[in-house]
Amino acid sequence: NAGVMQNPRHLVRRRGQEARLRCSPMKGHSHVYWYRQLPEEGLKFMVYLQKENIIDESGMPKERFSAEFPKEGPSILRIQQVVRGDSAAYFCASSAQGRSNQPQHFGDGTRLSIL
Amino acid sequence: DQQVKQNSPSLSVQEGRISILNCDYTNSMFDYFLWYKKYPAEGPTFLISISSIKDKNEDGRFTVFLNKSAKHLSLHIVPSQPGDSAVYFCAASASSGTYKYIFGTGTRLKVLA
Repeated sequence: NAGVMQNPRHLVRRRGQEARLRCSPMKGHSHVYWYRQLPEEGLKFMVYLQKENIIDESGMPKERFSAEFPKEGPSILRIQQVVRGDSAAYFCASSAQGRSNQPQHFGDGTRLSIL
Repeated sequence: DQQVKQNSPSLSVQEGRISILNCDYTNSMFDYFLWYKKYPAEGPTFLISISSIKDKNEDGRFTVFLNKSAKHLSLHIVPSQPGDSAVYFCAASASSGTYKYIFGTGTRLKVLA
């Protein structure tokens, strides 16, 4: 399966812990987008990365959240000192080209639950 | 500030009939629009897209119509099948920006056999 791979599919953390979500884009894709979906809502853009660069982080909360897409390996969305309000489904999408009319392809998401 | 709106949270249609899902947007900078289908516990699956230079795009049973003056797009599914039952999201982006997608809140379609 050459689709977007996200892991883990489910992640449970206690308040104050760190959550690390991983995303491997489709083969040949070098542009990664992270979105968050709260229950009964649409997906909300968080951050857009190209290899080793953050292109647009306008949707990222100012504190506790960070993202990276290193030269080698998956993209990582990191949430430090998690709170109950961070409980959501986090989706990663990739595209072959950024800034173009090519659809983004999504992974199946990581469902984060905060106890 | 909801720039993309799907005002019908749910829709029920008889198998074989037409399903029409609607989406409105407010940002005139949007010039690329997409529809995604989502099943529970899965990621959104791309269905069809349309650029603002067109007013219609067709792919099999799926057709998207764009009315720029009304800032409105719709997805038509003909004929509807039970496997089409899912949540449908419309999304919009602006080529003047970074192509991040702005999603609507979704419409849950139920196709009755």
